Amino acid sequence: DADVTQTPRNRITKTGKRIMLECSQTKGHDRMYWYRQDPGLGLRLIYYSFDVKDINKGEISDGYSVSRQAQAKFSLSLESAIPNQTALYFCATSDFEPGRGTDTQYFGPGTRLTVL
Amino acid sequence: AQKVTQAQTEISVVEKEDVTLDCVYETRDTTYYLFWYKQPPSGELVFLIRRNSFDEQNEISGRYSWNFQKSTSSFNFTITASQVVDSAVYFCALKHWSSYKLIFGSGTRLLVRP
Repeated sequence: DADVTQTPRNRITKTGKRIMLECSQTKGHDRMYWYRQDPGLGLRLIYYSFDVKDINKGEISDGYSVSRQAQAKFSLSLESAIPNQTALYFCATSDFEPGRGTDTQYFGPGTRLTVL
Repeated sequence: AQKVTQAQTEISVVEKEDVTLDCVYETRDTTYYLFWYKQPPSGELVFLIRRNSFDEQNEISGRYSWNFQKSTSSFNFTITASQVVDSAVYFCALKHWSSYKLIFGSGTRLLVRP
């Protein structure tokens, strides 16, 4: 089974709808991230969380919100979807441990979201 | 400022050829990580390798090898005897030791033709 899973894998929705993308991990990592990928713009960080009580905005958080329900679960919500939120969304976890010299981000399979 | 440059936008090779993907980075930090990720046509992002700035040893994993040279700020990736399944977009990335932020290059699209 995959270590980082995302649901749904594909979603088509209409402008103005609320939508939630879910991410679960079995890696036991504290740190989790949400990115979006757009052609020509690369990956951009939306939100990140260092633990259940520590959630932070990334570079493009407007129009998005997140919830860290547990160490293993990190959800991304679009309160009122708009067409320019059409993108490939990735969840990631990282194996950061203080003083250990590691911090690799492992990505989920992605959710392809289309907003009509 | 931190920056990653992958100057090769697209590379096309015939199967069994060797191919090198270039990655040049900029950072003022003395301690950092470098990464390579693969994004096949199916879309997922697959971690390939991490290198710490204090470890300049080159690494080989099967047909893949990585050449890290701090003197030229480069972290190049070579695929030996390429296969069609190697067709993908490859991203190089940089992260400062104490930062959460992963800085990606723009990616190199590799097409391996049969």
